[in-house]
Amino acid sequence: NAGVTQTPKFQVLKTGQSMTLQCAQDMNHNSMYWYRQDPGMGLRLIYYSASEGTTDKGEVPNGYNVSRLNKREFSLRLESAAPSQTSVYFCASSTSWDQPQHFGDGTRLSIL
Amino acid sequence: QKEVEQNSGPLSVPEGAIASLNCTYSDRGSQSFFWYRQYSGKSPELIMFIYSNGDKEDGRFTAQLNKASQYVSLLIRDSQPSDSATYLCAVNPPGNTGKLIFGQGTTLQVKP
Repeated sequence: NAGVTQTPKFQVLKTGQSMTLQCAQDMNHNSMYWYRQDPGMGLRLIYYSASEGTTDKGEVPNGYNVSRLNKREFSLRLESAAPSQTSVYFCASSTSWDQPQHFGDGTRLSIL
Repeated sequence: QKEVEQNSGPLSVPEGAIASLNCTYSDRGSQSFFWYRQYSGKSPELIMFIYSNGDKEDGRFTAQLNKASQYVSLLIRDSQPSDSATYLCAVNPPGNTGKLIFGQGTTLQVKP
């Protein structure tokens, strides 16, 4: 049972390039989330999906888009990467909004 | 501005002692509360969650919630060097969304 799987684990991009971070969960969870974690800033919510077919903005959505492809998968896209988006990105999922969230291993993204 | 505050530490305790980690939150209507442990370079791992005032115990861990005073704490009994990590407090604000607000974390060092 893998839980929450994120790909890739590491990525280096140049400014202006685009890429998609993938997240899949096998726990039949309804809700999924994308966070970024920066030194001194803690974990901040980028986007979330309360259920299949819905997405909504979190605290820091600018520069990102998301797609809830199906119940299992929730992807995060950077259309034109900027150095300020260098961070560690975590995907999480939960049964519902008030239940504990379970995190993937993260994607370490560097933008030069 | 919704806030979750933690002392960044480091909090240093000897092996076998009780470690006490504290967290305060600003939004009085917050409904659910979570403690995560994060080792350096790893993803957050759920330790405890609590919804009601009072204490909740799980093994060596006890979560305490006081909604009137707007604080939640985590006690770790018989601390072990393997408990050395950063502990993140997360609060679910009103709105039934699961948009967790994280504190910046307290670094715990358990010295043999």
